[in-house]
Amino acid sequence: GNSVTQMEGPVTLSEEAFLTINCTYTATGYPSLFWYVQYPGEGLQLLLKATKADDKGSNKGFEATYRKETTSFHLEKGSVQVSDSAVYFCALSESRGSQGNLIFGKGTKLSVKP
Amino acid sequence: SQTIHQWPATLVQPVGSPLSLECTVEGTSNPNLYWYRQAAGRGLQLLFYSVGIGQISSEVPQNLSASRPQDRQFILSSKKLLLSDSGFYLCAWSTGPADTGELFFGEGSRLTVL
Repeated sequence: GNSVTQMEGPVTLSEEAFLTINCTYTATGYPSLFWYVQYPGEGLQLLLKATKADDKGSNKGFEATYRKETTSFHLEKGSVQVSDSAVYFCALSESRGSQGNLIFGKGTKLSVKP
Repeated sequence: SQTIHQWPATLVQPVGSPLSLECTVEGTSNPNLYWYRQAAGRGLQLLFYSVGIGQISSEVPQNLSASRPQDRQFILSSKKLLLSDSGFYLCAWSTGPADTGELFFGEGSRLTVL
């Protein structure tokens, strides 16, 4: 079945460091790919998405490129801030008849120290 | 603007007791509604989704049930809780099928079964 694999956390970085959170997927067909973020004490919210191969999603300085050849959607940011501390979830879309679903990874906790 | 609320935020219940988690959405009509569960060390798992009043689809056979008595109300229930029901429960809504776009999540309800 379809699945998403994220790098294990937690990830601890100093402010202004470069961030990469790896995400690979297994899917039939051509799913859309998403990154969701969960800040402390809040629900998940969409960070960025890409709907087809070679698309780049970007938001708030974060980027991820849909790589079909490596089945990957790695999240990157050039300079992280303390306010980026959160749990990040990679997800893919899965069509199920008239109602689709999102398959989520386990999440990667990021802590940014000043 | 649209908002989603879940309650209670935290719940500690003994094994064998009943459960009721409630979710309401405001500012939109006829949303698709979802219940997800995040168990420790695992990704988000879709439990139920609903495309309309009284229409519930179950994704995983289990000790839980869901109901949608009103357009913007989604309730997760159990008659007798098990230890394995412990986890973080998230309600979400979308304007269309989940695989085509964004899910909007509530703040979550943390359930501990003792």
